[in-house]
Amino acid sequence: EDQVTQSPEALRLQEGESSSLNCSYTVSGLRGLFWYRQDPGKGPEFLFTLYSAGEEKEKERLKATLTKKESFLHITAPKPEDSATYLCAVHNQAGTALIFGKGTTLSVSS
Amino acid sequence: NAGVTQTPKFRVLKTGQSMTLLCAQDMNHEYMYWYRQDPGMGLRLIHYSVGEGTTAKGEVPDGYNVSRLKKQNFLLGLESAAPSQTSVYFCASSYGLLNEQFFGPGTRLTVL
Repeated sequence: EDQVTQSPEALRLQEGESSSLNCSYTVSGLRGLFWYRQDPGKGPEFLFTLYSAGEEKEKERLKATLTKKESFLHITAPKPEDSATYLCAVHNQAGTALIFGKGTTLSVSS
Repeated sequence: NAGVTQTPKFRVLKTGQSMTLLCAQDMNHEYMYWYRQDPGMGLRLIHYSVGEGTTAKGEVPDGYNVSRLKKQNFLLGLESAAPSQTSVYFCASSYGLLNEQFFGPGTRLTVL
């Protein structure tokens, strides 16, 4: 069964305290792994797409990496404005739907 | 460029009432999607469309109908609302089936 599991469910960091969020997936024939950011009361906002193991992408303080079984979202020296829920998603085997994880809620305090 | 817009933003229904949620996109995307988001469940696909005049079922289609009469619009209908349909509904669109999806701001629906 195609599945996406994110951990931890919640993460509290101090400003400047770097950490990583994990997304593990089971799907046959990965067609793309997506990271989204969702602020309270808003729709998900696209961050990155990764297609193959070893691929990395960066945007400001965020860096996403991909292996054959999981992806990490590394947050370097986070700021309070990085507080949000981060969602991971992969396409199902047929490629007709995105399967989302339940998300990691990040809180960064100053 | 407004991206993906949704109407209405909030709605309260009584059990058995019907309503239609409207999604519009101005990016000329072929693919459009309707999701629901519930606490502890994550985003789940209700229906999707691969082009004007086409629709297909997603993971949780029961109790919903959709129509894509125009390329830029995707409508989600609830014929007889039930409390189990209380949720936040998101519309999304993408250029291709495997491309990133762009989401609207959501509609918060409560069914009493």
